[in-house]
Amino acid sequence: DARVTQTPRHKVTEMGQEVTMRCQPILGHNTVFWYRQTMMQGLELLAYFRNRAPLDDSGMPKDRFSAEMPDATLATLKIQPSEPRDSAVYFCASGPSRGREGYTFGSGTRLTVV
Amino acid sequence: GESVGLHLPTLSVQEGDNSIINCAYSNSASDYFIWYKQESGKGPQFIIDIRSNMDKRQGQRVTVLLNKTVKHLSLQIAATQPGDSAVYFCAEKAAGNKLTFGGGTRVLVKP
Repeated sequence: DARVTQTPRHKVTEMGQEVTMRCQPILGHNTVFWYRQTMMQGLELLAYFRNRAPLDDSGMPKDRFSAEMPDATLATLKIQPSEPRDSAVYFCASGPSRGREGYTFGSGTRLTVV
Repeated sequence: GESVGLHLPTLSVQEGDNSIINCAYSNSASDYFIWYKQESGKGPQFIIDIRSNMDKRQGQRVTVLLNKTVKHLSLQIAATQPGDSAVYFCAEKAAGNKLTFGGGTRVLVKP
């Protein structure tokens, strides 16, 4: 089965450090999403891309978060500097722009900032 | 699991009974809706979808109902099984492919 691959699965880092999370979308999918999941806020959309161009990153704290797609096979989400409140599970999802639109999620990166 | 936690509404269902999970959505311009299932330690998994020009769609053991008048979505699971225990999310999509999730409902299947 085609799947979205996220690395690392778990990350523990100290406050102030840079964190980079990576996502490999399903081959052929041209829409990529980053979500953050916490107990208090549920699933929040941080940013999404179509054909590698950012369409909406209004859900992302701009001062410390950045999202990019260096190429069609890689999406990155960076936090610099990280803070304890960034602790959450970060999910990447991808989907086609046409046809079946049920986006496929990766297994997530569990980030803990201490 | 690391995903959702202690504050979700919970539906307890006896194995073999039918489950109904409800969702109120917010955007009257949303034209596409999806139900996802999330098991502990995993990402949300697509279950079934429905477009706004429909009011019912059936899959294998699942049915989604859409009432646009009151902006309400429901997921019915027939003959609930232990493997159906998970958190269920509805999601709505308006123009631009932006997918917004509801808060989730935890389903616990009792043997």
